[in-house]
Amino acid sequence: NAGVMQNPRHLVRRRGQEARLRCSPMKGHSHVYWYRQLPEEGLKFMVYLQKENIIDESGMPKERFSAEFPKEGPSILRIQQVVRGDSAAYFCASSPPGLAGAEQFFGPGTRLTVL
Amino acid sequence: AQSVSQHNHHVILSEAASLELGCNYSYGGTVNLFWYVQYPGQHLQLLLKYFSGDPLVKGIKGFEAEFIKSKFSFNLRKPSVQWSDTAEYFCALFFGSSNTGKLIFGQGTTLQVKP
Repeated sequence: NAGVMQNPRHLVRRRGQEARLRCSPMKGHSHVYWYRQLPEEGLKFMVYLQKENIIDESGMPKERFSAEFPKEGPSILRIQQVVRGDSAAYFCASSPPGLAGAEQFFGPGTRLTVL
Repeated sequence: AQSVSQHNHHVILSEAASLELGCNYSYGGTVNLFWYVQYPGQHLQLLLKYFSGDPLVKGIKGFEAEFIKSKFSFNLRKPSVQWSDTAEYFCALFFGSSNTGKLIFGQGTTLQVKP
């Protein structure tokens, strides 16, 4: 059973460009979470999605960031007009359907560098 | 607001030494608690979790943690560390009133084990 997949693993963008990060959850998992890890900090929750629905986006910056989890295909975290402060590791996690608070399985992360 | 605090940011031990990493949280209700480990270059993996029942939980690789409700703590322990335990360790909390499943992470503790 493949784990959570994320791509790309490393992404370099120049200021003003767009970044698209992809996450494929584990088979059978319908809940996807995105977290951001800034240097020297722990992971910070960004958004929680189920298929075709955003359930909680309380951790998302108000501008430039968006997320989706379409009926088919991976979840996408999109950052428009990137700035240097967006440089971070972005982790996706998934969990099976059912009770909230279950164990989350993490992907390897995408390390975004903004030049 | 709910928060998780890890007191030790950087710990250096010699092999065979005993380990205890502190984790405290601020939330008065029902919680699920987790310890995750991130080995160099790898993704987060679950070490152990507490949902309910016996407050002393055992995880993989000889790790254990004790949930002390009165102290709002969930400290991680290992009687004898190995060089391969060198990694970053994260304590995480799910608070029971949340219906979104998002985890709140501590800032992490970097453990360096000297051979």
